[in-house]
Order: sequence, then C-alpha cells, then structure tokens
Amino acid sequence: EPEVTQTPSHQVTQMGQEVILRCVPISNHLYFYWYRQILGQKVEFLVSFYNNEISEKSEIFDDQFSVERPDGSNFTLKIRSTKLEDSAMYFCASRTSGRVGEKLFFGSGTQLSVL
Amino acid sequence: AQSVTQLGSHVSVSEGALVLLRCNYSSSVPPYLFWYVQYPNQGLQLLLKYTTGATLVKGINGFEAEFKKSETSFHLTKPSAHMSDAAEYFCAVSAKTSYDKVIFGPGTSLSVIP
Repeated sequence: EPEVTQTPSHQVTQMGQEVILRCVPISNHLYFYWYRQILGQKVEFLVSFYNNEISEKSEIFDDQFSVERPDGSNFTLKIRSTKLEDSAMYFCASRTSGRVGEKLFFGSGTQLSVL
Repeated sequence: AQSVTQLGSHVSVSEGALVLLRCNYSSSVPPYLFWYVQYPNQGLQLLLKYTTGATLVKGINGFEAEFKKSETSFHLTKPSAHMSDAAEYFCAVSAKTSYDKVIFGPGTSLSVIP
C-alpha cells in the first residue's frame, strides 16, 4: 500500500527556535492534513490544505504555525517560535479527494521535543 | 460541534476472548464514524468506517463496529483477540457538513494476555 512519509522521525529543538516538519504525501493525493498528539492525550486536528491554500484550521493553529507545499511533492509544517507545549507527535495525512468519509492515510509521525 | 468519548483508557483481554472497545459520539449533524488503530512507532491506520447504509460495518483484521444512532454509539468488537491486536485504538467522527476535519477520541490501549 502507498505510504505517507515524514521526516525526521524525531526532532529536538530549543524553545524559541523555528522548526520545519516535512511530509511527502501519496503522489496522487490532493488533500493534506496535519494532526498532533501530545503525550497521553488525544490526536488533535491542526489544519487541512487543498489547492495550495488552507481549507480549515483549528484554534491550535495560530500565527506561529504555517503550512506550505513548496514543490508539488512535499508538504511542510513550520512552527516559527517553538514553545514547550508544542512538544508532541505530529502526524501528516493525505487523501485523494474530498469525497465524504474518504480514508485518510497517515504518516508514522515526527516526535518533536522542545527543550 | 462533534466530540468523541471512549470508555476505558486501557482494556486487557485474554487471547481468544472477545474484544469490546466502547465509543460514544456527540454530533449535531449526521456523523461519519471511524476506528483507527495505532501500532507502536507507527502512524494511524483506518480499521473501518461508517458513512451511510448498513449500520454494522466490517473492517480489517476481523474487527467490526455497529452504528447505533439511538445510543450515539459506535462500539468496536472482535470475536477472538489475537496477540497482534495489542495497540492503541481511536474512535473518530467527522460531520457530513464538514468532512474535512476528523475529531479523534482519547484512545483506548488494548493489551492481549497470552
């Protein structure tokens, strides 16, 4: 089965630093997502992205966050100035279309640790 | 707005025993319901989903779930647990009017005892 790949698998950064989490969605997919999971808590929706723009975002996704699809294959999440509470597992996901109930394909995640 | 609750953050069953993971949802509009599984150090994998039609849905690895609108439930079952079923299980909901966003429950960790 095709896979969503995420790099790096682990990232450690200092508070206040910028980080970029990278994802390569499945090649024919058109809808892209970022979710995060703080240790011991639920998986939370951050943002969805389609046609080179954000289609929906959560309250978590404030001005410190941005997403980009710079080259037609990568999909990135940037955190401008990391905070301790940004420490979490970040999952990228994609799907082919916006058809209702369509399956989301998730990557294996990037564990971000902010020190 | 949608939300999901999962009764029991941790469930242990013996190998060969019935698996029952409970999920209740809240939605002001007709929901789409999902179960995802997360194995250690892996991403989330879709087990099964309910969108429309038959309320008993079958998924991968012998799992099934039944949508009960009157009970706002979508419990996950498997007749006979296998050691390989040990994982974290997430129930999730999205609204038919905003299917872009999937809301996850807190998860239930399933342990299978030999």
